Amino acid sequence: QVQLVESGGGVVQPGRSLRLSCAGSGFTFSSYGMHWVRQAPGKGLEWVSLISYDGSDKYYTDSVKGRFTISRDDSKNTLSLQMYSLRPEDTAVYYCAKENIEGGVLYVFGSWGQGTLVTVSS
Amino acid sequence: SYVLTQPPSVSVAPGQTARITCGGNNIEFQSVHWYQQKPGQAPVMVVFDDSDRPSGIPERFSGSKSENTATLTISRVGAGDEADYSCQVWDSSTDHPVFGGGTKLTVL
Repeated sequence: QVQLVESGGGVVQPGRSLRLSCAGSGFTFSSYGMHWVRQAPGKGLEWVSLISYDGSDKYYTDSVKGRFTISRDDSKNTLSLQMYSLRPEDTAVYYCAKENIEGGVLYVFGSWGQGTLVTVSS
Repeated sequence: SYVLTQPPSVSVAPGQTARITCGGNNIEFQSVHWYQQKPGQAPVMVVFDDSDRPSGIPERFSGSKSENTATLTISRVGAGDEADYSCQVWDSSTDHPVFGGGTKLTVL
């Protein structure tokens, strides 16, 4: 079955960087668009970023544009999110999520990982 | 930007039917998706495209829409259904997906 396992979270000071990873298994990783979605403490879900199945398209929510970079390594079935210039408001659980359809992007989150917590604090 | 409004909490007795609403302007013209989140677990999609169920999701979960409200209905509720439920649509004004604030379902 589909498995998504995030890693890389932790406590980081404002202005520093962090890299999150998501390992996918149980499906053809290279055929699916992949997302990062976050949830701040006590808040609702917030979409962060998308990379298309072939890596040709990348999109970001406005608040992270220019600071976060999404990438994928299909040889390792891994999705990454490089986060720079972190702010306290970036504190959240970060989930990776798989598109619901193969080869397309509908922003429908068919499978999710359990998340990794990022805390930005001095 | 498009706003989705959910009640913070819904309570229902075991065996009864829970209805969780998601309000949005002209939501009838949107495709609505619903996600279940249990503490410490990965979110799970329970309904997509308004009323379709992913494989493995019981028929007790169903979705519907009217002009400005989408509804997730869970029949014959059990303790295992206690979770946060969030709705989601595509916001064409920002070209981003948006989520409702989530509703905590409590089984009394």
